[in-house]
Amino acid sequence: DTEVTQTPKHLVMGMTNKKSLKCEQHMGHRAMYWYKQKAKKPPELMFVYSYEKLSINESVPSRFSPECPNSSLLNLHLHALQPEDSALYLCASSQRLAANTGELFFGEGSRLTVL
Amino acid sequence: TQLLEQSPQFLSIQEGENLTVYCNSSSVFSSLQWYRQEPGEGPVLLVTVVTGGEVKKLKRLTFQFGDARKDSSLHITAAQPGDTGLYLCAGGKISTGNQFYFGTGTSLTVIP
Repeated sequence: DTEVTQTPKHLVMGMTNKKSLKCEQHMGHRAMYWYKQKAKKPPELMFVYSYEKLSINESVPSRFSPECPNSSLLNLHLHALQPEDSALYLCASSQRLAANTGELFFGEGSRLTVL
Repeated sequence: TQLLEQSPQFLSIQEGENLTVYCNSSSVFSSLQWYRQEPGEGPVLLVTVVTGGEVKKLKRLTFQFGDARKDSSLHITAAQPGDTGLYLCAGGKISTGNQFYFGTGTSLTVIP
């Protein structure tokens, strides 16, 4: 069982809707990540939070808005999405920033479909 | 431009066969991880290698980190249907501000 929990597992939304993806971890990890993944492709980094502060934003459109309310929670707010935003959204956490041999623990993902 | 190139991109083999997946780069990495992702799931970490030339074994899986820490390989002996999934290498480069890069991925199907 994964120790990173993502909700919802599936989400269908229209282009005018506002929704949120949620991620929770209780491993005491201080780095949390949002990735976007298309079928059979590697995950693409969107955002990195380190000690609850946004440290990396990979030029993600403003229709995606991350939020880290505390060290255990990470949200991704969605507004005015496009059909091409349909993908698997993965949350991950690590004890240290990944490059320092920190290993990523992933949730099962939220499958997003934009109509 | 992908820093980590994996080959092959797709692989379909019969149960019991051996296979090797390669992860290559022109850059030096401080560490390299291998993940496996099953359909509908998130990637799961298999191994981390940090020392050039290091070899690690995990049951039927053998991982090697290149001497120059620029490449890695994953060898699976006697593949089983449960090995089916997307295999991802990933590496960290402290020199570029703690960036962490995923490889291009190898989709493996093991046919019973």
